[in-house]
Amino acid sequence: NAGVTQTPKFRVLKTGQSMTLLCAQDMNHEYMYWYRQDPGMGLRLIHYSVGEGTTAKGEVPDGYNVSRLKKQNFLLGLESAAPSQTSVYFCASREPPGPINTEAFFGQGTRLTVV
Amino acid sequence: EDKVVQSPLSLVVHEGDTVTLNCSYEVTNFRSLLWYKQEKKAPTFLFMLTSSGIEKKSGRLSSILDKKELFSILNITATQTGDSAVYLCAGYSGGSNYKLTFGKGTLLTVNP
Repeated sequence: NAGVTQTPKFRVLKTGQSMTLLCAQDMNHEYMYWYRQDPGMGLRLIHYSVGEGTTAKGEVPDGYNVSRLKKQNFLLGLESAAPSQTSVYFCASREPPGPINTEAFFGQGTRLTVV
Repeated sequence: EDKVVQSPLSLVVHEGDTVTLNCSYEVTNFRSLLWYKQEKKAPTFLFMLTSSGIEKKSGRLSSILDKKELFSILNITATQTGDSAVYLCAGYSGGSNYKLTFGKGTLLTVNP
């Protein structure tokens, strides 16, 4: 009964390093989202996916790339990390809209610090 | 661009008080509005509202949606210190744009 799992939970990067955050969901959801949360800013959408093999830009996509090669996984990549990308990252997933709408389920977050 | 605005951004009350949190939205092809509570970690789901005028209740929390005026409120009665959290409002869009857009949140602090 894992739901949405994010790895890693914490990471410290040096400026210019790259890394990939993994989001895995076991609920067979079509839609997946990556958000970042900064103090006083709520959750801002980075990229999202409405199905395997599809991705789309959100509100703050610059400096990030994503891939959805498998339905259950949504990867968020930072090619060259910058201090401005220090944040808490949340992944979420949900069913597509239909006769019964359901909420989005969140992972526990990844705290990333770029020094 | 979709927009969700919450007010107030922060609120300090005493235990036992009643609070009302506000959320206005401009969401393309609006489908529904969601409320989440966030303590230290991931947001936890409270309510989903799709129809105007139908109040949803869970214990001391209740919420209602007005699709004509494009806003929702979240009420918490007889507040307790455990209600201290950030409350997030989010709007689902439909059509070809399946985004879930969040507001900045309301930080509620309930003092003993």
